[in-house]
Amino acid sequence: EVQVVESGGDLVQPGRSLRLSCTASGFTFGDYAMSWVRQAPGKGLEWVSFIRSKASGGTTEYAASVKGRFTISRDDSKSLAYLQMNSLKTEDTAVYYCTRDPFTVVRGGYYYYMDVWGKGTTVTVSS
Amino acid sequence: EIVMTQSPVTLSVSPGDRATLSCRASQSVNSNLAWYQQKPGQAPRLLIYGASTRATGIPARFSGSGSGTEFTLTISSLQSEDFAVYYCQQYNNWPPFTFGQGTKLEIK
Repeated sequence: EVQVVESGGDLVQPGRSLRLSCTASGFTFGDYAMSWVRQAPGKGLEWVSFIRSKASGGTTEYAASVKGRFTISRDDSKSLAYLQMNSLKTEDTAVYYCTRDPFTVVRGGYYYYMDVWGKGTTVTVSS
Repeated sequence: EIVMTQSPVTLSVSPGDRATLSCRASQSVNSNLAWYQQKPGQAPRLLIYGASTRATGIPARFSGSGSGTEFTLTISSLQSEDFAVYYCQQYNNWPPFTFGQGTKLEIK
């Protein structure tokens, strides 16, 4: 079964750090880009971060709201993706989802969508 | 940043009827548009990508259409399990990937 499972969510104080993990199974992890998407309580979906496959350069992208504070990474040997979150703010409180991101190629452009989602892990930032 | 606007915010439909959900992009996203379904307490699930391609295992009563800036998700003959929140998302001009605010489909 193709799945991703998030872990690492916790209650932390503002200004502290936390690392989330995403464990993939049922597919060749290294062939795919991965993203983190979050959902604040009672709110909609917000994309957070993205990492390409090694074959596509392994480069990363971030939402403006987390750039400079969050770092996405991957360990293909362990089928793991990570989200290192530093200098946490109360507005980072959310359920964090990991997604698998396949792509289509159109006229040389790569277009990624999110086809597999984990159940999420909850991050609460509060004093 | 491309802004995605969904309408209506809430849609009340009777089981067995058709539901039509709309999504508008602030600029063209070609056909790089996905739809997701989210039920309470669950993760989102991909329904449609490429504006009109159903994801694996998605019933044929779900269909997507549109291109450019105007998109529609149609659910024919609503089943009880279809009542949920639906999000559109563009992946044409990124970062950032952007989602609509969601349409809640409720039982009339």
